[in-house]
Amino acid sequence: NAGVTQTPKFQVLKTGQSMTLQCAQDMNHNSMYWYRQDPGMGLRLIYYSASEGTTDKGEVPNGYNVSRLNKREFSLRLESAAPSQTSVYFCASRPGGANTGELFFGEGSRLTVL
Amino acid sequence: AQSVTQLGSHVSVSEGALVLLRCNYSSSVPPYLFWYVQYPNQGLQLLLKYTSAATLVKGINGFEAEFKKSETSFHLTKPSAHMSDAAEYFCAVTPGAGNNRKLIWGLGTSLAVNP
Repeated sequence: NAGVTQTPKFQVLKTGQSMTLQCAQDMNHNSMYWYRQDPGMGLRLIYYSASEGTTDKGEVPNGYNVSRLNKREFSLRLESAAPSQTSVYFCASRPGGANTGELFFGEGSRLTVL
Repeated sequence: AQSVTQLGSHVSVSEGALVLLRCNYSSSVPPYLFWYVQYPNQGLQLLLKYTSAATLVKGINGFEAEFKKSETSFHLTKPSAHMSDAAEYFCAVTPGAGNNRKLIWGLGTSLAVNP
């Protein structure tokens, strides 16, 4: 039971470098999400995908792009990393449909931008 | 607009003592309410949720929460703390209908359990 798998778990970048965070879920969920978690700021939604082929902005989308590659995979790209993007990134998925559905989270990707 | 306030960013209890983590919300429509737990270096997992059925909701690991509309609260309790309960706890609210992107998170409460 893999659930939601994120790679890499740790990454150090220099300012201006680019990278992609990968996320895959094996639960046949429709909806997928990318959050960032920063001390004292809780969880903030970056982008989400309600279903395969659709993506939409969350609260803090600037500096990020996403791709819903297929139903399983949802990637987050930083085109030109900035120190303000140092954070822990979480991918989550949900079956979709009713708003009562539980979110299933990956273990996080810890990114440091120097 | 929905919002969530978790009172106390850090709570410390002794092993065996009552755990009470406070969550107050504001919502213009009947809310759905959630508690998630995050153990160190892990992702979040659902503890329990209120979705307009019973106001007293039981979750995993002996936790429960009571929805009190008059107080706009959804406090999390556990009668007897265990060392393994040490974690970060997040309360979240979403409107009764609509897209889950409107899930509003509290800032979290870090629970420490002392031996």
